[in-house]
Amino acid sequence: TQLLEQSPQFLSIQEGENLTVYCNSSSVFSSLQWYRQEPGEGPVLLVTVVTGGEVKKLKRLTFQFGDARKDSSLHITAAQPGDTGLYLCAGARGSSNTGKLIFGQGTTLQVKP
Amino acid sequence: DTGVSQDPRHKITKRGQNVTFRCDPISEHNRLYWYRQTLGQGPEFLTYFQNEAQLEKSRLLSDRFSAERPKGSFSTLEIQRTEQGDSAMYLCASSVLGKSKQGANTEAFFGQGTRLTVV
Repeated sequence: TQLLEQSPQFLSIQEGENLTVYCNSSSVFSSLQWYRQEPGEGPVLLVTVVTGGEVKKLKRLTFQFGDARKDSSLHITAAQPGDTGLYLCAGARGSSNTGKLIFGQGTTLQVKP
Repeated sequence: DTGVSQDPRHKITKRGQNVTFRCDPISEHNRLYWYRQTLGQGPEFLTYFQNEAQLEKSRLLSDRFSAERPKGSFSTLEIQRTEQGDSAMYLCASSVLGKSKQGANTEAFFGQGTRLTVV
């Protein structure tokens, strides 16, 4: 059973389109992070959200943490081919202070020119 | 470059051989993690060090796996008697305990990984 469920798992869109990736759980997280990973490379941290209802923007990317801190979304506006990659959400459980992260299975995004 | 460094980037080994991977974390980071990632999946936690102490190990870490961080700086992950099921990307990450910024304690910075193929 996946603690963090990401949807969709695969997304293929045309350049200029908008998209949203979801990260859902029945568990509460003290913080949640989004990473982007390219083939053969390690994940690169995009953002950390910690407060329920928090919204953070990073250029064309908008991240939201659910009010109950159980879910999150990533919205990309006017996607570009350079956005292609694997997007991972990862949460830290509130009961643990180890910094150990639980990852979703990832969303593979392909943006076609 | 001051990021997390892993060596080697790729390793192909025959089943039954031992392999060792190295990770050099960001210099001021006192926490170091090992994760394993298979194709089409997110990374899975293996083990965690705070300074030189190994504080948590996943059930995924069988007796054939051992990790060390002898001086609280670099870390090694050894797999003995490798099996084909060990083929995966092994990722190292580091973070720092004690940052006052909320959420910063859980921000992990990953290396480029070591891709292991057991044939």
